Amino acid sequence: GAGVSQSPSNKVTEKGKDVELRCDPISGHTALYWYRQSLGQGLEFLIYFQGNSAPDKSGLPSDRFSAERTGGSVSTLTIQRTQQEDSAVYLCASSLASGPTYTDTQYFGPGTRLTVL
Amino acid sequence: GDSVTQMEGPVTLSEEAFLTINCTYTATGYPSLFWYVQYPGEGLQLLLKATKADDKGSNKGFEATYRKETTSFHLEKGSVQVSDSAVYFCALRASGGYQKVTFGTGTKLQVIP
Repeated sequence: GAGVSQSPSNKVTEKGKDVELRCDPISGHTALYWYRQSLGQGLEFLIYFQGNSAPDKSGLPSDRFSAERTGGSVSTLTIQRTQQEDSAVYLCASSLASGPTYTDTQYFGPGTRLTVL
Repeated sequence: GDSVTQMEGPVTLSEEAFLTINCTYTATGYPSLFWYVQYPGEGLQLLLKATKADDKGSNKGFEATYRKETTSFHLEKGSVQVSDSAVYFCALRASGGYQKVTFGTGTKLQVIP
């Protein structure tokens, strides 16, 4: 079946511009995560959505970053007034559930490579 | 807070060599532990997992045992192949509530013929 998809696959923007990154999770998956992977670094958690619960935004690095998830499905990560240090690969993952008794596998999308000039 | 520490890479091995990638963690309670793999040009995918102490996760010849006493989840393979060349990420998910997954920095493995 269809996996997690992300768009665009590559985005080049100028410093100070806003960008929107999109994630389509696997149908029926209630948990959705955004991560950032900088060159030579691990995965940096950004935000986590679980069903209708309030999202865990504890990983967002600044108020320039925001994300929403409409209808419990598609998610958009928005970065306002981009800076060069925002350049990274942004990964989205979804899982079937993420409650106290679940250890569900996360399925990752291919990522969006963002380059801020 | 929760954290995962992996051995620094890159690790370069000859084909058929024994592989160990160390992973230790800090977390309260009894987290679930994972190894994810990212092959060149591909997305991350789950390699194996263990959900309680002394559990052994295994897949594709790789194994890792959940050691509560040493807070470790080292990845091992008896005989690596060139096709195992990838970046390997150790991760944990804390117990209780709706917890996010915390990843290590990744260890790049290169297997040469």
